[in-house]
Amino acid sequence: DTEVTQTPKHLVMGMTNKKSLKCEQHMGHRAMYWYKQKAKKPPELMFVYSYEKLSINESVPSRFSPECPNSSLLNLHLHALQPEDSALYLCASSQDVRQAIANYGYTFGSGTRLTVV
Amino acid sequence: AQTVTQSQPEMSVQEAETVTLSCTYDTSESDYYLFWYKQPPSRQMILVIRQEAYKQQNATENRFSVNFQKAAKSFSLKISDSQLGDAAMYFCAYSPLSGGGSQGNLIFGKGTKLSVKP
Repeated sequence: DTEVTQTPKHLVMGMTNKKSLKCEQHMGHRAMYWYKQKAKKPPELMFVYSYEKLSINESVPSRFSPECPNSSLLNLHLHALQPEDSALYLCASSQDVRQAIANYGYTFGSGTRLTVV
Repeated sequence: AQTVTQSQPEMSVQEAETVTLSCTYDTSESDYYLFWYKQPPSRQMILVIRQEAYKQQNATENRFSVNFQKAAKSFSLKISDSQLGDAAMYFCAYSPLSGGGSQGNLIFGKGTKLSVKP
């Protein structure tokens, strides 16, 4: 299995809703990442988990709450989002934060297209 | 702060021809990695090619090759024998290797949209 699987592929939620995005990989990667990509823009890093511990939080608002229950799974919990949070949310994984870049780069999922209404 | 610049918002190439996408970056680091990623309409970011900064030899992957000029901080992508399936958004990306909070942070350029004409 050489994939990063993200669910759901599309999500429409109201500003008062609570929802979660899920990301799963079975490649034995120990670093996982959330990126946000607005339309016609490059991805921007949100969070980095290394060995199931949060190692980077790029000043993301608290309405986004990441969780890494185990080494294969990464969640992004969403609560009280704003319409400007509508974007493609990409998950990625790598061997670990140091080695991955050296050997394999990052493996991305296909993303969740989020629309906040 | 590290930055990545792609000066060509859009490019077009005839099928079977060769096209070069430009990328420059700015960093004070001496050790880092550079990548080209492809994002088709399916949205998935697909790694095309990577380059290690300490290696002088330009990376190649089949029809894809790079021209890495470390002193000029330039990292262009050449696609030979272009195919219809090469049509996509191409992102140049930089990744530092130094310690601290910047580890694992891929910094992307704004992208170049490549069209391939049959």
